[in-house]
Amino acid sequence: AQSVTQPDIHITVSEGASLELRCNYSYGATPYLFWYVQSPGQGLQLLLKYFSGDTLVQGIKGFEAEFKRSQSSFNLRKPSVHWSDAAEYFCAVGATGGFKTIFGAGTRLFVKA
Amino acid sequence: NAGVMQNPRHLVRRRGQEARLRCSPMKGHSHVYWYRQLPEEGLKFMVYLQKENIIDESGMPKERFSAEFPKEGPSILRIQQVVRGDSAAYFCASSPPSGTGSSGANVLTFGAGSRLTVL
Repeated sequence: AQSVTQPDIHITVSEGASLELRCNYSYGATPYLFWYVQSPGQGLQLLLKYFSGDTLVQGIKGFEAEFKRSQSSFNLRKPSVHWSDAAEYFCAVGATGGFKTIFGAGTRLFVKA
Repeated sequence: NAGVMQNPRHLVRRRGQEARLRCSPMKGHSHVYWYRQLPEEGLKFMVYLQKENIIDESGMPKERFSAEFPKEGPSILRIQQVVRGDSAAYFCASSPPSGTGSSGANVLTFGAGSRLTVL
């Protein structure tokens, strides 16, 4: 069965600083990997996904993530954070050929001026 | 082009009452998923349904919880005899049929959630 670990519960960065949110997954085969963002009181919005091919994927709002098979990681990055990026971020893994997507516990991002 | 519609957005029930949460998937989507989010926790998978079929209910509590996705109408998550521990946000997501490409079927579109409070 697949699982996802997001080691950081909270992260605070200054506006304009770079950001990296960590995600480690466990799955026996090549996984489908996702990052979603949730603003307070809202549902989840897809930021980006990895299915195959280039291990560096670009997403919306200037985010990118890199799949590293050797480290079982799929970390999310952004070179310059904006105050509007403050939200909760969820990493998720889906099983190849299946439809059950498992989410990590989330990382809440705070942005300070 | 409406997205995933959930209602009610907020629901208050007293202990022992029933809660019914509804989800209309995105147009063209035939797969529905329900997730539960407890305060300060991530999303926990509950159930995956296609029209008239429960495909995977491994995350559903064995008692008091049930889900359906009838041929016509929205998917419904039903919680009988609610207890305080059922207070949570319940999110519905949908995805397109598997025939629409190997990748599209795995991308979930979420509704805004239904927040259940049990007094």
